[in-house]
Amino acid sequence: DAKTTQPPSMDCAEGRAANLPCNHSTISGNEYVYWYRQIHSQGPQYIIHGLKNNETNEMASLIITEDRKSSTLILPHATLRDTAVYYCIVRVAGSGGYQKVTFGTGTKLQVIP
Amino acid sequence: DVKVTQSSRYLVKRTGEKVFLECVQDMDHENMFWYRQDPGLGLRLIYFSYDVKMKEKGDIPEGYSVSREKKERFSLILESASTNQTSMYLCASSLTASGRTNEQYFGPGTRLTVT
Repeated sequence: DAKTTQPPSMDCAEGRAANLPCNHSTISGNEYVYWYRQIHSQGPQYIIHGLKNNETNEMASLIITEDRKSSTLILPHATLRDTAVYYCIVRVAGSGGYQKVTFGTGTKLQVIP
Repeated sequence: DVKVTQSSRYLVKRTGEKVFLECVQDMDHENMFWYRQDPGLGLRLIYFSYDVKMKEKGDIPEGYSVSREKKERFSLILESASTNQTSMYLCASSLTASGRTNEQYFGPGTRLTVT
């Protein structure tokens, strides 16, 4: 799996968009970008994933650069409940085999009132 | 909704004790995982299983073993607990199927303290 690099921490004002960057310059053609988050004292929670197109769901948007070497997770209107550690992960998805995931240390997002 | 449950939220054991951590998922997922999480080190994979009675070592298997006798249950065993195994333990499960996202669903975690 390709390695990812994220800033250790970020602040965001409540109600504003939170933009969390991730670098994955060694990503392979068949590797997806996944985002998870972990709220304090809870298990990680899946947010979104993508291959090369931008993706949006009810939680967030994922913007992947054309060369796929970096991506940005966007929380459009951050709330205090979005305060968490956000993990960017790159790995192969699809049929067969196991789905080992390697988590780094992530970005600690603090949403400020 | 997928539900992954872990037998205990908090556990305190003594050095040398045998410790069992249980994980159950209710979505018929083939894959199950055990991670430990320590400050500054992120999540590290201990063991995983992609089928009943099948297991594979993760990145830090030393001092641990696992058991998967039924599809829905994956147990982590500390044969002789040591203080350096004090940690948060997280169980996860995922589906293996063509065209699926294969995201992992995590349990709430067990905070184990070994004294």
